[in-house]
Amino acid sequence: QQPVQSPQAVILREGEDAVINCSSSKALYSVHWYRQKHGEAPIFLMILLKGGEQKGHDKISASFNEKKQQSSLYLTASQLSYSGTYFCGTETTYSNSGYALNFGKGTSLLVTP
Amino acid sequence: EAGVTQSPTHLIKTRGQQATLRCSPISGHTSVYWYQQALGLGLQFLLWYDEGEERNRGNFPPRFSGRQFPNYSSELNVNALELEDSALYLCASSLRTGNKIGEQFFGPGTRLTVL
Repeated sequence: QQPVQSPQAVILREGEDAVINCSSSKALYSVHWYRQKHGEAPIFLMILLKGGEQKGHDKISASFNEKKQQSSLYLTASQLSYSGTYFCGTETTYSNSGYALNFGKGTSLLVTP
Repeated sequence: EAGVTQSPTHLIKTRGQQATLRCSPISGHTSVYWYQQALGLGLQFLLWYDEGEERNRGNFPPRFSGRQFPNYSSELNVNALELEDSALYLCASSLRTGNKIGEQFFGPGTRLTVL
């Protein structure tokens, strides 16, 4: 039930754009995105709820396609500070008592000068 | 405002021993989550506690267990340690959002090494 992220790794030059994809084999209630810098704890970026919404956060935005059970994270005009590992977490219906959140293996992003 | 704290920072054990990891959530947060982060495997969900009850557990054997105390702090116990249990264990907390999972705030983690 772990979502699949692609690509596994990407290297960008400062100012370039990147897209990170997250797909699930199960129906999704929501998708959560986090970024983790080396040696640090993951930091929350955004949650997208079912309904096909898009969200933006500075120059980082994301979309959620409920029908395709996919989400994409868009990083535009990348900055050196964007470097890190990006994780998507997919929230699926677990039971009548609640939901489960499963994270992908992560996408390593390196932005170079 | 203090963030999520975890102790100890590092823990070294031998095979077969038991490990106890502790987590204090952000004040006001009632939900606590535990994750295992092993090299190359990403964040693997272990346990979710809310209001003192276990709400969900991931695909881990029963020797991984825990509890949440009345003050919402939490403890993760790993019995009969195996070499593959070596990993960074992250704790996260969030506000209660009904049955849904909210924004999570992560602690710095406990690095468990099993020799």
